[in-house]
Amino acid sequence: RKEVEQDPGPFNVPEGATVAFNCTYSNSASQSFFWYRQDCRKEPKLLMSVYSSGNEDGRFTAQLNRASQYISLLIRDSKLSDSATYLCVAYISNFGNEKLTFGTGTRLTIIP
Amino acid sequence: EAQVTQNPRYLITVTGKKLTVTCSQNMNHEYMSWYRQDPGLGLRQIYYSMNVEVTDKGDVPEGYKVSRKEKRNFPLILESPSPNQTSLYFCASSSAGTRYTGEQYFGPGTRLTVT
Repeated sequence: RKEVEQDPGPFNVPEGATVAFNCTYSNSASQSFFWYRQDCRKEPKLLMSVYSSGNEDGRFTAQLNRASQYISLLIRDSKLSDSATYLCVAYISNFGNEKLTFGTGTRLTIIP
Repeated sequence: EAQVTQNPRYLITVTGKKLTVTCSQNMNHEYMSWYRQDPGLGLRQIYYSMNVEVTDKGDVPEGYKVSRKEKRNFPLILESPSPNQTSLYFCASSSAGTRYTGEQYFGPGTRLTVT
């Protein structure tokens, strides 16, 4: 089983719609979580951190459920520029090694 | 400008011909890492370095070597490349405390094809 699992999509969503991505992680020792965004053939970039209390950054909302080992990302009022692959990431520190484990990503395409 | 640079960006080579992909960061980061990205498998860590002269294996180290003689540089060496090492490679760096920010800075990627 992969440490971080995501639905690969693709998700094709009309502009202005709300879209939600889910992600599950298997290692309960994972300490913190993040969403990264990766545009086609480009490097991944940090989108936002995920907290148990939930956090919001403009049109983006991230949520963590530790009991279910589940992370979500919600995008409201989607824009064409939101088209990208979204990577769910878990952080774990193990004997001094700080490691980010990446999911395989969910591809999102916003349709005009 | 804070950045991670990689060279070359594109490389086509033949099986067995040694190659080095360079990585350099200008942010004085302690932590550097190499990943490969393959369809359906996502980003997988090859090697990482916590600081100068400190390196360790990631999830897929076979067939690769690294060195960290200076803080800013972290080259990836393929002594005898094989076709299964055809992939998109990313170098990344971060400061201590990645757990709190999650922010790794990635280079632009090196697309390697081994024939």
